[in-house]
Amino acid sequence: AQTVTQSQPEMSVQEAETVTLSCTYDTSENNYYLFWYKQPPSRQMILVIRQEAYKQQNATENRFSVNFQKAAKSFSLKISDSQLGDTAMYFCAFMKHGDGNEKLTFGTGTRLTIIP
Amino acid sequence: DAGVIQSPRHEVTEMGQEVTLRCKLISGHNSLFWYRQTMMRGLELLIYFNNNVPIDDSGMPEDRFSAKMPNASFSTLKIQPSEPRDSAVYFCASSLGQAYQPQHFGDGTRLSIL
Repeated sequence: AQTVTQSQPEMSVQEAETVTLSCTYDTSENNYYLFWYKQPPSRQMILVIRQEAYKQQNATENRFSVNFQKAAKSFSLKISDSQLGDTAMYFCAFMKHGDGNEKLTFGTGTRLTIIP
Repeated sequence: DAGVIQSPRHEVTEMGQEVTLRCKLISGHNSLFWYRQTMMRGLELLIYFNNNVPIDDSGMPEDRFSAKMPNASFSTLKIQPSEPRDSAVYFCASSLGQAYQPQHFGDGTRLSIL
């Protein structure tokens, strides 16, 4: 079974600063996908960014980028030029590839607060 | 385009009552997921369907919980009888049914069992 660990329950940074959220996972699989989801106070889960394990290049979506270290089983999220709207819970998630099962395994989340 | 639509948004009921949560998938999606979110256990997958067929129900807590897809665009999650420990936010999500496709979540139903 896969596990996802987010070791930072809470973080806070000043607006416009850069912040990095950590995520590690444990799996015996070689092919898989990794995701970061954002859950603002409105409660809806929103996909932020995703990474395919076979790709060495780190995924980037505007101000959001990841540092994917496959050997270390690490998948951190970097938010540059943070904005007040980035305040939310952030969840790291794992999906195994190849057996048709789309099951997502989530970490426990990091509550990020952007301070004006 | 409309996203995943869940109803009701909030539900408060007394223990022992039957609770039915509803979900409408995004048009064209063929995978449907039910999640439960609590402070203690985080986000847990309860069950998921692909093309109306249950694929993984290993997260369904016990026989009091049941989920159905009466058609390709709609699903229900039923709890009977409900218990206070069932209090949680229940999310429905849908996807295109292929690996790596993102799951699109509804706004959730906050369920409180008194």
